[in-house]
Amino acid sequence: DVKVTQSSRYLVKRTGEKVFLECVQDMDHENMFWYRQDPGLGLRLIYFSYDVKMKEKGDIPEGYSVSREKKERFSLILESASTNQTSMYLCASSSHRAGTRGEQFFGPGTRLTVL
Amino acid sequence: DAKTTQPTSMDCAEGRAANLPCNHSTISGNEYVYWYRQIHSQGPQYIIHGLKNNETNEMASLIITEDRKSSTLILPHATLRDTAVYYCTHKDRNNFNKFYFGSGTKLNVKP
Repeated sequence: DVKVTQSSRYLVKRTGEKVFLECVQDMDHENMFWYRQDPGLGLRLIYFSYDVKMKEKGDIPEGYSVSREKKERFSLILESASTNQTSMYLCASSSHRAGTRGEQFFGPGTRLTVL
Repeated sequence: DAKTTQPTSMDCAEGRAANLPCNHSTISGNEYVYWYRQIHSQGPQYIIHGLKNNETNEMASLIITEDRKSSTLILPHATLRDTAVYYCTHKDRNNFNKFYFGSGTKLNVKP
């Protein structure tokens, strides 16, 4: 069974803290993604990566950075957490290799609360 | 941007077919339409995808109009476990790996 795991289901942090959200996939996928999900706004893409050490900004990258040192791991970093970053964070991975369907596989999500 | 339009919510009686519409007028010729669903407290899950022909798998059927500007996801016999948010999306024309997800349709299956 394919799997995307996220380090925490629930996280509570204080304003100004540095926050690390970790995502690991076991499918040897090239592509990994970070989204945030807020009521009424759907899923919004923060950053994605199509290879180790490669990253591209999504639609809402401000206040976030990412790291992809190994193919299976993609980290989202909040350098200085703020209350407006309270949200559900979803990680996903996909492959664009020939013969694949190209769909994204999602992790269970991390609900982050910044106080 | 690759945008889609879906109704905010729909109701369906258990055992009946659920037909979920989606408009994707900005879709380009080589982009596939994908459908996902998200059950409460879980990440979205792939359902089905297609290019221009109708598709069917064990979960659902996908009907794409001839001009490809809209599609309908059909759950032939909805169950209570099909209550979820359904997202229609297609791959961005400039980056084939990116999806744009809208707000989706909340399907309520009622007994």
